[in-house]
Amino acid sequence: DIVMTQTPLSSPVTLGQPASISCRSSQSLVHSDGNTYLNWLQQRPGQPPTLLIYKISNRFSGVPDRFSGSGAGTDFTLKISRVEAEDVGVYYCTQAKQFPYTFGQGTKLEIK
Amino acid sequence: EVQLVESGGGLVQPGGSLRLSCSASGFSFSSLWMHWVRQAPGKGLVWISQITGDGSITTYADSVKGRFTISRDNAKNTLYLQMNSLRAEDTAVYYCARGGIGTEIDYWGQGTLVTVSS
Repeated sequence: DIVMTQTPLSSPVTLGQPASISCRSSQSLVHSDGNTYLNWLQQRPGQPPTLLIYKISNRFSGVPDRFSGSGAGTDFTLKISRVEAEDVGVYYCTQAKQFPYTFGQGTKLEIK
Repeated sequence: EVQLVESGGGLVQPGGSLRLSCSASGFSFSSLWMHWVRQAPGKGLVWISQITGDGSITTYADSVKGRFTISRDNAKNTLYLQMNSLRAEDTAVYYCARGGIGTEIDYWGQGTLVTVSS
C-alpha cells in the first residue's frame, strides 16, 4: 500500500496569513497514463470531506482561488494564501493512483 | 446537484450483519465508479471498497475482504454495502462517495454511523 505522510499534523494560523501543508507518498504517484493522482480534501468540523484539489493542482468546482496545490512525484504541497475563518478543519492528502486508495493522517488547521 | 444519501446505519452486536444503502441523484449514476470510505470516531479516513459503473468489478481493502460486499442497482440509482461478521473495529461513520471523471473521489455523502458493540 502507498503510505501518505502529512506535515504538520496541527497548524495554528492567524487570520489573513498564509498556511502550507506538506504531503509525501511512499512511492511515486505518477500513473502509467501520465497523470499524477494526488488529491486534497477538506473536512470542516462535523461535516463530510469535500474535494479541494485534484491531480496535484486543479481546483475542484467552487473552490476559492486562495487554495492552490503543487508538487510532483512523491512530494506535494497545499497552500492557502490568506486563511479565512471558514477554512478551519482537517485537511487530507489522498492518492488515487492505485487501490487501496490511501489518505494522510490529516492536518488540523486552527486559528490562533 | 449531486446528492448522495446514506442509510442503514445503527447499533449491531459483534458478529452481526448490516446493510448500508446510498441513494444517488443529480448525475448519471451508472456511468461512474462508486466508493465506500469510513471514519472511526475522532480518526482519519479509510477507503474500504469500490465498484465500477456497471458493477462488474469490485475492489476491497484487506481489512474488510471476505466480510463486506459492495453492489449497486443502477435502475434504482442505489449503492449498497453488505457488512457481515462485524467487529468492534468496524465502528465508524460510513461515507458513500462518487468517483469522478478521473480516479478521484469528488463527492461525498453525509455519512451513516455504524456502531458494533454488545
